[in-house]
Amino acid sequence: AQSVAQPEDQVNVAEGNPLTVKCTYSVSGNPYLFWYVQYPNRGLQFLLKYITGDNLVKGSYGFEAEFNKSQTSFHLKKPSALVSDSALYFCAVREGSSGSARQLTFGSGTQLTVLP
Amino acid sequence: DTEVTQTPKHLVMGMTNKKSLKCEQHMGHRAMYWYKQKAKKPPELMFVYSYEKLSINESVPSRFSPECPNSSLLNLHLHALQPEDSALYLCASSQDRGSNQPQHFGDGTRLSIL
Repeated sequence: AQSVAQPEDQVNVAEGNPLTVKCTYSVSGNPYLFWYVQYPNRGLQFLLKYITGDNLVKGSYGFEAEFNKSQTSFHLKKPSALVSDSALYFCAVREGSSGSARQLTFGSGTQLTVLP
Repeated sequence: DTEVTQTPKHLVMGMTNKKSLKCEQHMGHRAMYWYKQKAKKPPELMFVYSYEKLSINESVPSRFSPECPNSSLLNLHLHALQPEDSALYLCASSQDRGSNQPQHFGDGTRLSIL
């Protein structure tokens, strides 16, 4: 079985400060990990992914995420938050070795609010 | 701009109506998905099409009927829906079902059942 947890329903951060949105996962084999963002009245927008290779992954809009195998985590980070980053963020996982057998499992989502 | 186009953006229908949601992608993707999303919740997978064939049905009630006329189009036919079916319906596509490439989502159809 595969699962993903986002322990914080809500994260508030001041504009210009660094932000972190947390994600932990559980899979039997190697994970494929993804971050998506959803703005109001929009679909999910892909930010970045980890498949293999460097543990630090850089994505769109200045976001990055660090894959930590020992802690089974894939936290999303940004050095300096913008008000426009305020949105709903989803972490997702799929077991990489499962071929087409498994679909994406999404976390419960974290609402990020960046305060001006 | 999203590469997956969904129409209509909004739909209000009565419980006895029949309507269809449409989704189109021109990225050459061979897997297409329907998701249901309630407010502030993660998307819930409904159906997966792979190479135009239905490969996953997540125990969705028969009042939802998917159709994949060709590799670029995906429809969701609706009939006799219930108020609890009111939600955002998202279409997505990916290179194929087993790919490590991300799914690309449309902006959804917001469905309200009266």
